[in-house]
Amino acid sequence: EVLLVQSGAELRKPATTVKISCKVSGYIFSDFYIHWVRRAPGKGLQWMGLLDPANGETFYAASFQGRVTLTADTSLDTAYMDLSSLTSDDTAVYYCVMSSGGISVPIFNHWGQGTLLTVSS
Amino acid sequence: QSVLTQPPSVSAAPGQRVTISCSGTTSNIGNNYVSWFRHLPGTAPKLLIYENTNRPSGIPDRFSGSKSGTSATLAITGLQTGDEADYFCAVWDAGLNAVVFGGGTELTVL
Repeated sequence: EVLLVQSGAELRKPATTVKISCKVSGYIFSDFYIHWVRRAPGKGLQWMGLLDPANGETFYAASFQGRVTLTADTSLDTAYMDLSSLTSDDTAVYYCVMSSGGISVPIFNHWGQGTLLTVSS
Repeated sequence: QSVLTQPPSVSAAPGQRVTISCSGTTSNIGNNYVSWFRHLPGTAPKLLIYENTNRPSGIPDRFSGSKSGTSATLAITGLQTGDEADYFCAVWDAGLNAVVFGGGTELTVL
């Protein structure tokens, strides 16, 4: 069974950084892309970026460029999402997603449970 | 403002059929595969349709997808109250080198 288990809820102050982890099991970590998607209150799903765990290649959404960093530790079968310069607009639930499609085919069939990030002073 | 355009809301009675549209451009829908998701806040989104028309195992055939030119459509037949949720289309945008989501459509089963 494919599972993606994310780290727990986070509370951060504005202008700080958060790191969310996503531990996968049930498949070969380096064989499939990991994407990150968030949903803020009252907003829709927003794609943040993708990581190829096999080689560390990344693509980021323009709206997060410079603030988000996606990495992976293949020895731990874990992906990470760092988001910096946090503002209250970053308050959202963040999801890691395994895509069984190619880089341009979003077959997002396995999702993490979500991590709530609250940014508040 | 989303790259893909969806109606903010749709509604229909139980047992009826509803369609949700997703309009894009040649940079995205026109030349790439569309996926559809259902999302209830507090739960993980669920893949309903991939590669325009395919259903993952476990998704009933009440859900179907189609694509024509730069638009895609999700159809749901035999509506149930349990279908109430937000629905999103998604596709790769070659101009942006990014996955883009539609703004989402709230489905109400009256």
